[in-house]
Amino acid sequence: LAKTTQPISMDSYEGQEVNITCSHNNIATNDYITWYQQFPSQGPRFIIQGYKTKVTNEVASLFIPADRKSSTLSLPRVSLSDTAVYYCLVGDMSTGGGNKLTFGTGTQLKVEL
Amino acid sequence: GAVVSQHPSRVICKSGTSVKIECRSLDFQATTMFWYRQFPKKSLMLMATSNEGSKATYEQGVEKDKFLINHASLTLSTLTVTSAHPEDSSFYICSASADPTDTQYFGPGTRLTVL
Repeated sequence: LAKTTQPISMDSYEGQEVNITCSHNNIATNDYITWYQQFPSQGPRFIIQGYKTKVTNEVASLFIPADRKSSTLSLPRVSLSDTAVYYCLVGDMSTGGGNKLTFGTGTQLKVEL
Repeated sequence: GAVVSQHPSRVICKSGTSVKIECRSLDFQATTMFWYRQFPKKSLMLMATSNEGSKATYEQGVEKDKFLINHASLTLSTLTVTSAHPEDSSFYICSASADPTDTQYFGPGTRLTVL
């Protein structure tokens, strides 16, 4: 399973764009990159998922370079409610891959006024 | 879409008793469900992978006789903590995916406190 490395914590202010970068040097061919958000005492919430290049949805963008050894989650114009732990994970989503996810330490994002 | 529920949301029990936690996929059929445990201020740790109709696959170090997992239908998996002890107190979270090629969606978690 590919191991991921993220910053332990980040601070930001309301209205700013936040970029959280994750390293996954040993990512395998069948691995997808998925980001989850977790608030205290709640289960993780799916944010975005991608395989390569750029993916965008209504809440975030995910940038993945050609070598796929890292990825960056971009949150546009954060608010106080975006204060949470953000996890970057890689998992084998091929048929038979099992899609097991290994959670790393995550990044504690703190947004202030 | 992709809603996963857990019941109960929190449970307090006496040492030595067994506790059952349910995980349901509400709007999709989940061939695969996962069970995680999370201690305070720590990350999630995968305990086991459960495929509908077959025995669960446990991660190294997880006692299968202590944490009984049943995935009897495509929308329901249960985790039973047998003979619970205070060290089993934790936040238990399940996730479900429609198939191994699909995204995992997580339940809200169950807080277990063993006195």
